[in-house]
Amino acid sequence: AQRVTQPEKLLSVFKGAPVELKCNYSYSGSPELFWYVQYSRQRLQLLLRHISRESIKGFTADLNKGETSFHLKKPFAQEEDSAMYYCALSGRGFGNEKLTFGTGTRLTIIP
Amino acid sequence: EAQVTQNPRYLITVTGKKLTVTCSQNMNHEYMSWYRQDPGLGLRQIYYSMNVEVTDKGDVPEGYKVSRKEKRNFPLILESPSPNQTSLYFCASSFRLEINEQFFGPGTRLTVL
Repeated sequence: AQRVTQPEKLLSVFKGAPVELKCNYSYSGSPELFWYVQYSRQRLQLLLRHISRESIKGFTADLNKGETSFHLKKPFAQEEDSAMYYCALSGRGFGNEKLTFGTGTRLTIIP
Repeated sequence: EAQVTQNPRYLITVTGKKLTVTCSQNMNHEYMSWYRQDPGLGLRQIYYSMNVEVTDKGDVPEGYKVSRKEKRNFPLILESPSPNQTSLYFCASSFRLEINEQFFGPGTRLTVL
């Protein structure tokens, strides 16, 4: 069974401070990991995926297979980063199309 | 405008009264999916569909049915709703080879009394 764990339901960080949202996963095969974000009154949208190794809005996430983690990081938090963040996992290849989301972390940036 | 639409956006019903929540996308996506969002439980996948006439169970399929007769539509059917199905429901779609980039609908808030 595949599982995604986000241990923090709520996280408050001062503006300008570093941010780290934790995500751990359990999956027997080769996973694909990604982060979704939901800003206030907006739809859930993809933030970034591990395969593309990109930085979006200053956020990065590295897949650590040894620790089965995919933590989301940003060196300097901005007020517009306040949102709900979901870590998600899917398998690769035919027959692995189920998507599993974590329980989410609500990030609040304190001005 | 490329989008995923859901109807209705809000629904209050009573236990046992069959209901359907519609979902439609105009992006020619093969993959469509339904999720429910509950406090403390996050998003949980109910059913997904890889293409027309192909559906499969997600993590919480009990009490739900889906159908995929056309590529653009993926209705969620509750044959006999119960109060524990009170939730916020999201439909999403993507290309089959890009299922990690899901496009989400606006959500349907369902209350079952």
